Parts: sequence; structure tokens; C-alpha cells
Amino acid sequence: KAGVTQTPRYLIKTRGQQVTLSCSPISGHRSVSWYQQTPGQGLQFLFEYFSETQRNKGNFPGRFSGRQFSNSRSEMNVSTLELGDSALYLCASSLEGGNTIYFGEGSWLTVV
Amino acid sequence: AQSVTQLGSHVSVSEGALVLLRCNYSSSVPPYLFWYVQYPNQGLQLLLKYTTGATLVKGINGFEAEFKKSETSFHLTKPSAHMSDAAEYFCAVGKGGGADGLTFGKGTHLIIQP
Repeated sequence: KAGVTQTPRYLIKTRGQQVTLSCSPISGHRSVSWYQQTPGQGLQFLFEYFSETQRNKGNFPGRFSGRQFSNSRSEMNVSTLELGDSALYLCASSLEGGNTIYFGEGSWLTVV
Repeated sequence: AQSVTQLGSHVSVSEGALVLLRCNYSSSVPPYLFWYVQYPNQGLQLLLKYTTGATLVKGINGFEAEFKKSETSFHLTKPSAHMSDAAEYFCAVGKGGGADGLTFGKGTHLIIQP
């Protein structure tokens, strides 16, 4: 079956703009989580959604937000982009109560 | 709070040699432990996981890891390295499920020498 799908794969934005990234989880998976990966900070947990509700949030400013739709697809939004937001954003999905998280290929965001 | 320490940001081995990537964790609850591999310009692929039960866990591509509670370690090994194993490897700890998120180590870049 299809894996976790993220779009777009690559994008370039200007400081001050906002961006929306999309994630379609594995069929049947209702939990979606987001991670930011940078060379300096490594992989950091952003937030996790289940049944359209945010259940957990990492230590990121309010400019980072997300949502989940009734079909479990998720979007994350970053407003007022800063240069430091340049990163690989990874989406992951898992079954409710499952202990394995499957990752997508990621969305590469460059802020100039 | 949970944390993961991966010893060695870069590890170089010869093709055919033993691969050993070290991971130590701290967790206030019984941990769920994972190893992921990341190839250039790709996402993370699960190699193996420990949840409960047998402490020696076998994964894909000939990798295995042993959970040692007394040493709070979860080292990754492979008896014989292959050129295709060159990648970034991440150890992660979780409390189970996706709800609390995973805490990742900084990663170890595995270099395979011909």
C-alpha cells in the first residue's frame, strides 16, 4: 500500500511569507506527526494530530501550526518565515496505539 | 524527559567489516526504541524497533540491535558492511505510539570504505 505522501517536495520562499505543507498518511493511519530536520538541531518533534485534534506539541513558536482533516490528511503552516525555518519537514503516520511511526520523503523548504 | 545520545557523528568501516553504531538513552518510563536510516535526500526508513519482549531485535538489511536496560543502551550492529549501507542512522526513543513524539539522537553518518 502507498506510504506517507508529502507535497510539495521542494519549495523556496521569501522571508516574511507563509507556507503550507501537506501530508497524506498511510491508509488506515489516524495519527499524523510532524518533525523538523536541520543540520544544527537535528530532528525535532513539532506536533501530533489524531482525529483532527492536536494531542501533543513540541517546543516551537506559535508561527508553526497544523491541522488534520476528517480523512486524516494533515497540513502544517509556518507564518512569517525566517531564514532559520529552512529545513526538511518530515511527516509521519502511525496507527492509533501503534508503536511504529512511518515517515514520508519530506518537504525541503528554503527561505531566502 | 527522554534523551538519546549517539556516540560518534561519523563512523567509518571497511566493506565486509562489522558495523557498530552506539546509542544510549534516558527515559523515565519503559522505553520504546527505534533505529531509522536516512539516505541522501530521502525520508526516514525504519530499520528495527524494540517495544517489549525479546531484547535482541532483528531488522531489515541484516541489522540487529540489543536492548540492555542495565546499560541504557540500544546499539545497532551488522556483521558485514556493504557499500549500500552508507547513510545516516538515527536512534530514537518514544513512550509508545505516535502521541508523544519521538526523541531522536543527532545521528551517525556511516561511511563504508572499499
